[in-house]
Amino acid sequence: DTEVTQTPKHLVMGMTNKKSLKCEQHMGHRAMYWYKQKAKKPPELMFVYSYEKLSINESVPSRFSPECPNSSLLNLHLHALQPEDSALYLCASSQGSGSYEQYFGPGTRLTVT
Amino acid sequence: AQSVSQHNHHVILSEAASLELGCNYSYGGTVNLFWYVQYPGQHLQLLLKYFSGDPLVKGIKGFEAEFIKSKFSFNLRKPSVQWSDTAEYFCAVNALNTGFQKLVFGTGTRLLVSP
Repeated sequence: DTEVTQTPKHLVMGMTNKKSLKCEQHMGHRAMYWYKQKAKKPPELMFVYSYEKLSINESVPSRFSPECPNSSLLNLHLHALQPEDSALYLCASSQGSGSYEQYFGPGTRLTVT
Repeated sequence: AQSVSQHNHHVILSEAASLELGCNYSYGGTVNLFWYVQYPGQHLQLLLKYFSGDPLVKGIKGFEAEFIKSKFSFNLRKPSVQWSDTAEYFCAVNALNTGFQKLVFGTGTRLLVSP
């Protein structure tokens, strides 16, 4: 099973809402990632978790808060987002954080109104 | 900081034509190189990867890529494209200086194959 699942598929939220995105993998991978992909643009790295510890934060605004409760699960908590945060949020995982390929989930399409 | 360039933004081919998509990266140290594909409405899938060894790597669906270190290039090729190859193709690189954790994508190439 090489599947990364993400929920929800679509999310519409207001600028004062708090919501969370969820990502799950059951491949035994120890590194997990959040990316943001705007329309017609490549994915851009936001966060990297390695062995459940945050190892990279690409200067992401604090209104995005990642959490890795266990090695299979990755959350992205959203609060007070701006309309420009509307994008496809992708989760990925890899066996480790070294020379391994990343497996991507289908993404959550987020619209901030 | 490492960067990845894909010079072909849009490519239109007829079925059975040969394909070559360019990818150049900026980092001079040890790198891992990838090509990902995003079919319409689907998630990113790995086509092929290069970590070390033979610079000519073969991937899924008849794709191959050649790593030329002296040119900082990792071009993607397919001898005969099919309509089902219509998709967006991303070259991506991660480097030793970030522990190979930071995957940087090129801007992508949209390929349209007409039947």
